[in-house]
Amino acid sequence: DAKTTQPPSMDCAEGRAANLPCNHSTISGNEYVYWYRQIHSQGPQYIIHGLKNNETNEMASLIITEDRKSSTLILPHATLRDTAVYYCIVRVAGNYGGSQGNLIFGKGTKLSVKP
Amino acid sequence: DAGVTQSPTHLIKTRGQQVTLRCSPKSGHDTVSWYQQALGQGPQFIFQYYEEEERQRGNFPDRFSGHQFPNYSSELNVNALLLGDSALYLCASSLWYGYEQYFGPGTRLTVT
Repeated sequence: DAKTTQPPSMDCAEGRAANLPCNHSTISGNEYVYWYRQIHSQGPQYIIHGLKNNETNEMASLIITEDRKSSTLILPHATLRDTAVYYCIVRVAGNYGGSQGNLIFGKGTKLSVKP
Repeated sequence: DAGVTQSPTHLIKTRGQQVTLRCSPKSGHDTVSWYQQALGQGPQFIFQYYEEEERQRGNFPDRFSGHQFPNYSSELNVNALLLGDSALYLCASSLWYGYEQYFGPGTRLTVT
């Protein structure tokens, strides 16, 4: 079973920031938080991952609380093309680096960006 | 640089038949994972291959088997197809010591 809890759906106005929450209260110290999204009928797309610190890349920012029990994915200026199902996943760190093991997908949050 | 590719795009089979799906990983990647996604559900992990060996397996019956070739490409085989095997089959590639898994576009399998 997925170790994360997400709201089933959210709406966001085009051009505004989309803030997608995720609860992972049972996360272990060696588990990363990953975000993927899936646009209808396509393969999931990697967005970002983090362990403790906040992370930012060209797609999004990931804010992880200090106790690591929750996180927020921020899309700074949502566009219609950001309409998708967003999955928050925890994944164990590998013994020798990287992050190994499979991805356990829950139901995700369906984000609808509206004009 | 080509990403993850999968073939075929769509496939229709009859109950009881066998099917083989193919995946070519992103250039430089050495690990391939397979997922099954039923309509309206999130992807479910089938198995993962590294160094031509199955390294992890999800809760799928032995009818599902796979192979990884020396060039890191992979096949997923499903025997004795059931109606419930109808789904989108996704391949993801990664580095064994990496962080990101990159997914292909999937193969849509319909069993009639």
